[in-house]
Amino acid sequence: GAVVSQHPSWVICKSGTSVKIECRSLDFQATTMFWYRQFPKQSLMLMATSNEGSKATYEQGVEKDKFLINHASLTLSTLTVTSAHPEDSSFYICGLLGAVNTEAFFGQGTRLTVV
Amino acid sequence: AQSVTQPDIHITVSEGASLELRCNYSYGATPYLFWYVQSPGQGLQLLLKYFSGDTLVQGIKGFEAEFKRSQSSFNLRKPSVHWSDAAEYFCAVGYSGGYQKVTFGIGTKLQVIP
Repeated sequence: GAVVSQHPSWVICKSGTSVKIECRSLDFQATTMFWYRQFPKQSLMLMATSNEGSKATYEQGVEKDKFLINHASLTLSTLTVTSAHPEDSSFYICGLLGAVNTEAFFGQGTRLTVV
Repeated sequence: AQSVTQPDIHITVSEGASLELRCNYSYGATPYLFWYVQSPGQGLQLLLKYFSGDTLVQGIKGFEAEFKRSQSSFNLRKPSVHWSDAAEYFCAVGYSGGYQKVTFGIGTKLQVIP
């Protein structure tokens, strides 16, 4: 399967600052990548789907101006949490579609803590 | 809309005992079904998937799952659990037209005791 590298694995930031999370496909050109968010004791919620070279598609209730997604190349997608607040503290996971479009591979996740 | 129910949030089994994790889905058409495992602080690893064909699918690490359309279920099983299987397990359902959207269940946390 594809290898997905997500960085950083954890980050602590001050309230009001912005944090960028990178998701790289190391051995596969991914036209579609996903960003999920996981609150403690809850499931993974899809935030948005990013397509290389075009705007991301956000799920209902996800603020696109707060969670900026850029998919500039076939191997890199970034999620920027702007003006982070403590309620944004969560586990963020990226994923990408595999070659046959029926399987996704995920990064190791980023634990964001906003203080 | 599609949905996934994992009725057991936390399960404890003894090492060497058998395991069954339950998953029920709701989707109008033929679903794509997945089981993922997440170890603490890690991302998701695909255990197995069902798209069509044989309803009993074999996965990695000795896991298997059976698709039962009549019960809208896709339960995960393992005959003998190892301590390293302790993790969180997510059942997921995708659109039959492709992966484009996948809905995850809430997850089942598995604890293995010696």
